[in-house]
Amino acid sequence: DTAVSQTPKYLVTQMGNDKSIKCEQNLGHDTMYWYKQDSKKFLKIMFSYNNKELIINETVPNRFSPKSPDKAHLNLHINSLELGDSAVYFCASSQEGRQPQHFGDGTRLSIL
Amino acid sequence: AQSVTQPDIHITVSEGASLELRCNYSYGATPYLFWYVQSPGQGLQLLLKYFSGDTLVQGIKGFEAEFKRSQSSFNLRKPSVHWSDAAEYFCAALGTGANNLFFGTGTRLTVIP
Repeated sequence: DTAVSQTPKYLVTQMGNDKSIKCEQNLGHDTMYWYKQDSKKFLKIMFSYNNKELIINETVPNRFSPKSPDKAHLNLHINSLELGDSAVYFCASSQEGRQPQHFGDGTRLSIL
Repeated sequence: AQSVTQPDIHITVSEGASLELRCNYSYGATPYLFWYVQSPGQGLQLLLKYFSGDTLVQGIKGFEAEFKRSQSSFNLRKPSVHWSDAAEYFCAALGTGANNLFFGTGTRLTVIP
């Protein structure tokens, strides 16, 4: 049983396009996250979200927007893709509070 | 400022040898600390965590880590490395009142026969 699943695993698209990455968790967790891993493998938080609060890392461009249809899903929508958006994007989830986070396998986004 | 530092970018060890990966943190109070492993093309898997109490914590796959407040360190160890341990290892911290992880820059482990 996959705990945190992301689709697609690979996404290749052109500059200027709009794309979405889906994330689902079946762990019953209250909080979900999106992280970006750059070409040097550095991981940085983009968003954290539970049913009460969306916390946005101030360095994230407003072209990125998380959308949560329900507690088990947190999708990432990206408008007007740029070359610098090429990275691996990881979804994660945890119980509310300072709890260990469980990660999906990542989505490798490549912008042509 | 909150930060996590992994001084070693790349470490190579022989199979069967012992391993220690270094991690230092800089926080106002003792953070919650984690080690994750990332195999090629995979997501991050939690190896172990430290919240409080016993400063030597045991994790999965034979790994352990020791929290040392005086050195602001949380080093990961394994007595005998297996070829399947080759991966990228990330130390991470969760600060007081926060729910997002701060990651170190990772240490890539290569295991030679």
